[in-house]
Amino acid sequence: EVQLVESGGGLVQPGGSLRLSCAASGFTFVNYAIHWVRQAPGKGLEWVSGISYNSGSKGYAVSVQGRFIISRDNAKNSLYLQMNSLTTDDTALYYCARAGSAWYTEIPDYWGQGTLVTVSS
Amino acid sequence: QLVLTQPPSASASLGASVKLTCTLSSGHSSNAIAWHQQQPEKGPRYLMTLKNDGSHKKGDGIPDRFSGTSSGAERFLIISSLQSEDEADYYCQAWGPGIHVFGGGTKLTVL
Repeated sequence: EVQLVESGGGLVQPGGSLRLSCAASGFTFVNYAIHWVRQAPGKGLEWVSGISYNSGSKGYAVSVQGRFIISRDNAKNSLYLQMNSLTTDDTALYYCARAGSAWYTEIPDYWGQGTLVTVSS
Repeated sequence: QLVLTQPPSASASLGASVKLTCTLSSGHSSNAIAWHQQQPEKGPRYLMTLKNDGSHKKGDGIPDRFSGTSSGAERFLIISSLQSEDEADYYCQAWGPGIHVFGGGTKLTVL
């Protein structure tokens, strides 16, 4: 069974940093690209970032470009999102989602349950 | 830039069928899309990928009650024999290019 478990969320002040993690199991992690998608309270889904199977290709939404960094450790079956210079607009539930292939251009076909990030003073 | 447009709400009776719409912006009518379901207080669930020719590939364990069709720039999710657990938000999604784009979502109420 494919499982994606996010962690690392919490309360952080504006301007602060946070690192999210996603632990994957139930599939061959190294063969798939992975996404981060977020959902602000009461709002819809927003794609944040994606990374290819070998970390050779990465993409970011304009809203996070230059502030967030996506990475992965295939030896640990884990995905990360380093979030810097956080603003209140970054407050959201952050989901990890597996892409349908090795490339992050592919649509997510499995989702985690999310980890909540709250940016507030 | 790709924009996906969805009606904010829809409703249908228990046991009936409903057709949800996702419209692709001008110049993107040949794009494939995906449909995702999000039940209350849960993470999203991938339903299917739907191409412009109407062919679709469903996710693991998705019931036959869920199907998809296409017409021009419109992509449809059809749910038949509605059940109470189908009450959820439904999002369409496509590759931009450059970014992934989500529609605003349709909240389906099962009466």
